[in-house]
Amino acid sequence: AQSVTQPDIHITVSEGASLELRCNYSYGATPYLFWYVQSPGQGLQLLLKYFSGDTLVQGIKGFEAEFKRSQSSFNLRKPSVHWSDAAEYFCAVTGTASKLTFGTGTRLQVTL
Amino acid sequence: ETGVTQTPRHLVMGMTNKKSLKCEQHLGHNAMYWYKQSAKKPLELMFVYNFKEQTENNSVPSRFSPECPNSSHLFLHLHTLQPEDSALYLCASSQADRDDGYTFGSGTRLTVV
Repeated sequence: AQSVTQPDIHITVSEGASLELRCNYSYGATPYLFWYVQSPGQGLQLLLKYFSGDTLVQGIKGFEAEFKRSQSSFNLRKPSVHWSDAAEYFCAVTGTASKLTFGTGTRLQVTL
Repeated sequence: ETGVTQTPRHLVMGMTNKKSLKCEQHLGHNAMYWYKQSAKKPLELMFVYNFKEQTENNSVPSRFSPECPNSSHLFLHLHTLQPEDSALYLCASSQADRDDGYTFGSGTRLTVV
């Protein structure tokens, strides 16, 4: 069965600092990987996705993620964090579009 | 309207009440989902509908009853709920034969008193 691990429950960074959120997945074949963001009281918004090809994918709001098969990882990065990036971030994996499995999320706090 | 719309945004109900959550998608997708999001817990997939047919029920108690009358609408009927059912209920849709991920609604914040 597919699964996702987000080892960091809570991360705090200063505005302008770089950010990396970790995600490790478990899936027997080539996975489809996603990062979603959720602001308080809102639904989840898709940041970026990886299906195949270039292992570095660009997303919205200046985010990028790198797929590393050897490490079963799909870490999310941003070079310079803005206060508006404070939210909860979810990594997800699927082998088919009908079953998306989410990690437990990482809450990002941004200090000014 | 575009995207996935959920109503109501907030709902407070007593344990003996009957209420329904509504989800509507305007994306032409053919799959719809209900998720439950509780504090400090992972997102829990409750139900999956593909082409209006329920394809997954993740051991959800019978006090939650889904209905999918067409590929654009999804309901979650609630009755005799418990306080631990208080949560954010998220609806999502996708195109089942593509892997573009899911589009989520803003959720219904349910409080059972």
